[in-house]
Amino acid sequence: GQNIDQPTEMTATEGAIVQINCTYQTSGFNGLFWYQQHAGEAPTFLSYNVLDGLEEKGRFSSFLSRSKGYSYLLLKELQMKDSASYLCAVTRYNTDKLIFGTGTRLQVFP
Amino acid sequence: EAGVTQFPSHSVIEKGQTVTLRCDPISGHDNLYWYRRVMGKEIKFLLHFVKESKQDESGMPNNRFLAERTGGTYSTLKVQPAELEDSGVYFCASSLGPGQGDRRLFFGSGTQLSVL
Repeated sequence: GQNIDQPTEMTATEGAIVQINCTYQTSGFNGLFWYQQHAGEAPTFLSYNVLDGLEEKGRFSSFLSRSKGYSYLLLKELQMKDSASYLCAVTRYNTDKLIFGTGTRLQVFP
Repeated sequence: EAGVTQFPSHSVIEKGQTVTLRCDPISGHDNLYWYRRVMGKEIKFLLHFVKESKQDESGMPNNRFLAERTGGTYSTLKVQPAELEDSGVYFCASSLGPGQGDRRLFFGSGTQLSVL
């Protein structure tokens, strides 16, 4: 079966750095996605990791450790507009469907 | 370029009625997915089309749900008859797919379905 865990809620201050963790247990793992979703809007793609290591894209970075079943999303220089839900999702071999965690709701305060 | 569009954005119906949701994927995307988020739960896969063919419908809850993608363009998801537990947000997503070197899914804003 599949199990994906991420914290339900996090808070942070504008300008700070926040790390959102995601752990997973899934057979046939073949990559991990992070999506951002503002309330009432479509989830939007942030990052995709299939190999171990850190992928950096502007203020956002994503890390993957396949051996540990662990990923994190790092958000730097937080802005108010970063307040949103962050969804961790994994894919498996021979399928393109995403298996989602419940998401982490991040609130950024001034 | 237009994104994934879904219609309607909200639907309120009574138990036992029928509702049809529509999804227009990004032009050129052969892969189309339906997902659902029930309140308090994670987004869950319903089914996957490749062009007009159902590639995977393992997530469909029961035979009250019928998805179609005639012509391989837009898709509809019909719920008949609707039950209270069908309430939730129904998301559609499309992708080029790994065959095109791009596994990203692009999501629509969803249809909020409320069954009373």
